[in-house]
Amino acid sequence: AQSVTQLDSQVPVFEEAPVELRCNYSSSVSVYLFWYVQYPNQGLQLLLKYLSGSTLVKGINGFEAEFNKSQTSFHLRKPSVHISDTAEYFCAVSEGRRGSYIPTFGRGTSLIVHP
Amino acid sequence: EAGVTQSPTHLIKTRGQQATLRCSPISGHTSVYWYQQALGLGLQFLLWYDEGEERNRGNFPPRFSGRQFPNYSSELNVNALELEDSALYLCASSLASQPQHFGDGTRLSIL
Repeated sequence: AQSVTQLDSQVPVFEEAPVELRCNYSSSVSVYLFWYVQYPNQGLQLLLKYLSGSTLVKGINGFEAEFNKSQTSFHLRKPSVHISDTAEYFCAVSEGRRGSYIPTFGRGTSLIVHP
Repeated sequence: EAGVTQSPTHLIKTRGQQATLRCSPISGHTSVYWYQQALGLGLQFLLWYDEGEERNRGNFPPRFSGRQFPNYSSELNVNALELEDSALYLCASSLASQPQHFGDGTRLSIL
């Protein structure tokens, strides 16, 4: 079975500061990893994904994440945040084999960007 | 390209009633997933449909059920509604093992 831990339920940060949202996972098999963003009263939007290949993954809106297999982590980073980045962020993991594609989601991290 | 659409946006019911939620996937997507997002609990997987068949279900009682139609749209039915069923219900669609695309959800409120 797989699981995801988002270590911070809330991350406050000032505008134009860098931010890191932490995600750790556990799985007994190879994994696919995802970050999603949820704005108020909306569904989830895919920010980026790791399926294979380069461990540094670049996504939309200037976000990137690094897959670290030894630390079983997939932290999300942005070098300079905007007010509009205020949202809920979800890390998700699924087993990397066909037929088992049901992601497990973390509980979410609320990113609050202050002016 | 139209995204995943869900209806209704909001639904208000009372205890014991039944609710039906609908989802239309992105054109060409054959898999539909249902999730419950209750306050403070993150996303809980409910059901997965692919090619008209139920492929997997999460740890929810049998009063949560659904189906997928030949055009790949889907319904989620919740019978004998309880107060704790109040949540945002999200539908997602995907093609094979590609990442999921989510709709904006149906907010179900139980009075």
